[in-house]
Amino acid sequence: AQSVTQLDSHVSVSEGTPVLLRCNYSSSYSPSLFWYVQHPNKGLQLLLKYTSAATLVKGINGFEAEFKKSETSFHLTKPSAHMSDAAEYFCVVSDRAGGGADGLTFGKGTHLIIQP
Amino acid sequence: GAGVSQTPSNKVTEKGKYVELRCDPISGHTALYWYRQSLGQGPEFLIYFQGTGAADDSGLPNDRFFAVRPEGSVSTLKIQRTERGDSAVYLCASSLKVAGVNEQFFGPGTRLTVL
Repeated sequence: AQSVTQLDSHVSVSEGTPVLLRCNYSSSYSPSLFWYVQHPNKGLQLLLKYTSAATLVKGINGFEAEFKKSETSFHLTKPSAHMSDAAEYFCVVSDRAGGGADGLTFGKGTHLIIQP
Repeated sequence: GAGVSQTPSNKVTEKGKYVELRCDPISGHTALYWYRQSLGQGPEFLIYFQGTGAADDSGLPNDRFFAVRPEGSVSTLKIQRTERGDSAVYLCASSLKVAGVNEQFFGPGTRLTVL
C-alpha cells in the first residue's frame, strides 16, 4: 500500500522569498515520486519526478525536490517565489514494483499563496 | 502535438440520469487512467487501461461506474443513476508504458454537476 501526506494545506510566502512544500510518503516498495501543479481551471502539469536515479531532482520553473529515504520525504523547494507560482501543488507516489495498476496516489494538495 | 483531451468540459445532469464522459489520449499512449477529483481534494484513482482491457478497476466506487476503451485509444467513463455525491471533476491521463517510468499526462478534466 502507498500513501502520501502533504503536511501543509496552505503555504503563504512573499514574492522573492524561498518556497518549501512538505511531503512525506509511505510505500512498500521503491517508489516513484512526483510533484504536479494545478493552476486554477487548468490541467495538472508535471513539475518533476524521482525514479531512483539522482536523489536531488530538478524540475521546471526553478523547482527542485530531494528524495530522502531515511526520512521518507520528498519536499519541494524553490529559491525565489514568483507571483505566477500561485497554484495548488500535489505530491504523488507510484508504487510500480508493487504491481497493480500504476495508478498514482495523490496527496490532498498544498495551496501556495504568493504575497506581493 | 495534441495533449489529452476530454469532452465535455462541463456536464450538468439531474439525479438519476446516465452520463458518459469521453477521453482522447495522446496518440500512441497505450496506458489510460481515470481519476476523480472532489472539491478541495487530490485526484483519486478510478481505473486503468492497458490497451483495450481494464487492467485495474479497483478504484471504481461502485457498480454504477463503468469504463470502456474498445479500440485501445478513446475511452468513455459511464455513470448510471447519477447521485449528487458523484459531482466532481473527472480527469483522464495517458502514458507510454515503458519500464521504470510512469509519467502520466493529464487532460483538463470534465466537471460533472449532479443536481
